[in-house]
Amino acid sequence: NAGVTQTPKFRILKIGQSMTLQCTQDMNHNYMYWYRQDPGMGLKLIYYSVGAGITDKGEVPNGYNVSRSTTEDFPLRLELAAPSQTSVYFCASSYWTALNQPQHFGDGTRLSIL
Amino acid sequence: AQTVTQSQPEMSVQEAETVTLSCTYDTSESDYYLFWYKQPPSRQMILVIRQEAYKQQNATENRFSVNFQKAAKSFSLKISDSQLGDAAMYFCAYRTPAGGTSYGKLTFGQGTILTVHP
Repeated sequence: NAGVTQTPKFRILKIGQSMTLQCTQDMNHNYMYWYRQDPGMGLKLIYYSVGAGITDKGEVPNGYNVSRSTTEDFPLRLELAAPSQTSVYFCASSYWTALNQPQHFGDGTRLSIL
Repeated sequence: AQTVTQSQPEMSVQEAETVTLSCTYDTSESDYYLFWYKQPPSRQMILVIRQEAYKQQNATENRFSVNFQKAAKSFSLKISDSQLGDAAMYFCAYRTPAGGTSYGKLTFGQGTILTVHP
């Protein structure tokens, strides 16, 4: 049981480049989330999805886009990378009916924009 | 909007002693969930303990326990018999129930770095 898998684990981008952070889960969870964690800080919600085809913005969505074409996958797209997007990105998932259960987190993607 | 505040950026404890990490939150809801997560240098987010707001009894998990004061909106974590492996960043998190516009998202505090001295 793989849980939540994020790829890549590390990436360095140049300013203005684009990339997609991949997230997939094999637990048939309907809720999925993307968070970013800046150095020494807590996690902030970027986007979330409550099921295939349904996404919405979180606290810090600017500069990002998401899509959810399947239950398993929830990729995060950076269109024009900026230094302010240097962060660690976490994907998480859960059942909507089990909110007393923890969200399952991936191991994170460390992204540096230079 | 809900907010979560951890007022202790750093804490330290001697091995085998007890330490308490503080967390306060602000909400107008009556039904919610609270969590403490541990984040070691490996960056993994590891659940330490959870508390449902409707439960009056404080949650315990082995050496970890909470002091949940709903009226005061306080949710502190007590670590007893501290071990070197407890050294990590600890996050307090608030989660809304399903429905409405929150969709069960987690709101995190800023974190507390815990150092354990041998």
